[in-house]
Parts: sequence; C-alpha cells; structure tokens
Amino acid sequence: GESVGLHLPTLSVQEGDNSIINCAYSNSASDYFIWYKQESGKGPQFIIDIRSNMDKRQGQRVTVLLNKTVKHLSLQIAATQPGDSAVYFCADLSGYALNFGKGTSLLVTP
Amino acid sequence: SQTIHQWPATLVQPVGSPLSLECTVEGTSNPNLYWYRQAAGRGLQLLFYSVGIGQISSEVPQNLSASRPQDRQFILSSKKLLLSDSGFYLCAWSSGGRSAGELFFGEGSRLTVL
Repeated sequence: GESVGLHLPTLSVQEGDNSIINCAYSNSASDYFIWYKQESGKGPQFIIDIRSNMDKRQGQRVTVLLNKTVKHLSLQIAATQPGDSAVYFCADLSGYALNFGKGTSLLVTP
Repeated sequence: SQTIHQWPATLVQPVGSPLSLECTVEGTSNPNLYWYRQAAGRGLQLLFYSVGIGQISSEVPQNLSASRPQDRQFILSSKKLLLSDSGFYLCAWSSGGRSAGELFFGEGSRLTVL
C-alpha cells in the first residue's frame, strides 16, 4: 500500500496568496522526500527535496517543511501565480524507487 | 545534458492486443530506470524498476512486463492488453545506485484500451 498520502485532493487559492499543500507519510524509516509538480498531460517535474536530517528547505518561492515527529511534510508556495496551477505530489524514497501519494490539485484563481 | 524520450505519446489499442512502450535516456550511463502508471485522477504507481542491464524488479503483479536490453533503454510490454491497462505511463530515470533519489520523468505515453 501507499506510504504517503495527501490531506486534500483539491486546493483553490487566489493569485498572489500563499499556498500550503500537506502530505503525511507512514514509514518512519523514510529519509528522503520530494515534491513534484505535474501539469496536465505532462510528466512530473521536480520542485524541491528534503532529507530527514533537515526540517526546512527553501527554494525559489517554495519552502518544504518536514516534521518527523508526526510524519508530516508540507509544501509552501509564496505569491501563488496562475502558472502554479497543477497537481502536486509528495514522494518518499523506498529502496531504489520513489513512492508517490495521490496528489493535490492546486487551482489558482485571478 | 541528460534527456529522456518515450514513445509513442498516445495510442489506442483493442483488448487482447500486444503493447510495446519504449524509453531511452541520453547523456548519462548506468542509470536506474523506472516505469510508473498513472490512472485518471490517481497518483503514480510504480510498476517496474531496473538498476542494470537485464535486471528487472516488479512491484505489481499483472500482465505487463519490462525489459532492459541496453543500458539506457527500457521497454514496457504486454502480450494481451486488458481494459484496466488504460492509463498514463511514465518512464523515469535516476542516477545509478541508491543515490539522492530524484527521478527525471519523460513526457508520458497515454494508452487507451478499448
């Protein structure tokens, strides 16, 4: 079964607002996590990753937070733009492969 | 730079027909290769992965098979397709060995079985 899951299937935010997408995982041995963005009809694209020895990592307009105590990670997108509309997946590393959650659809409204 | 190509991009096949999806990676050597399937509105399900030529690990028992005849070539096959095989198939690669784990995906192949 899946070891990662997403709290909400859809998220609607206004352009310019901050977005927060949440993810829970069940494997306490997971030590590497990735967020991917998938636009309609395309393959997923890497956004940001984080290792379990960190609790926060920042990229350009994105921040990933990892709470190992409750096995939860989140993706924060600052100043959300229409181009951010997509499905976002969290994934954890299990052996040689990534295990993906079902995804959250982010819709940015003007 | 590394690139990944998979084809065909779309195909419509009748139930019981064979399937062959191909994936090639350029610009790297000895990559880990993966096939994922994504059903409509669902997450990505790992089907197969390979850490070397001729080595295939299957994650989900089904009527699909995979082969890696060359270092940078990964093929997904079926002898007889089922309706449930419809979906979006994604090939991906990562650096060889148990590395950072970041996967780089192809653009996908959309399969419709009628």
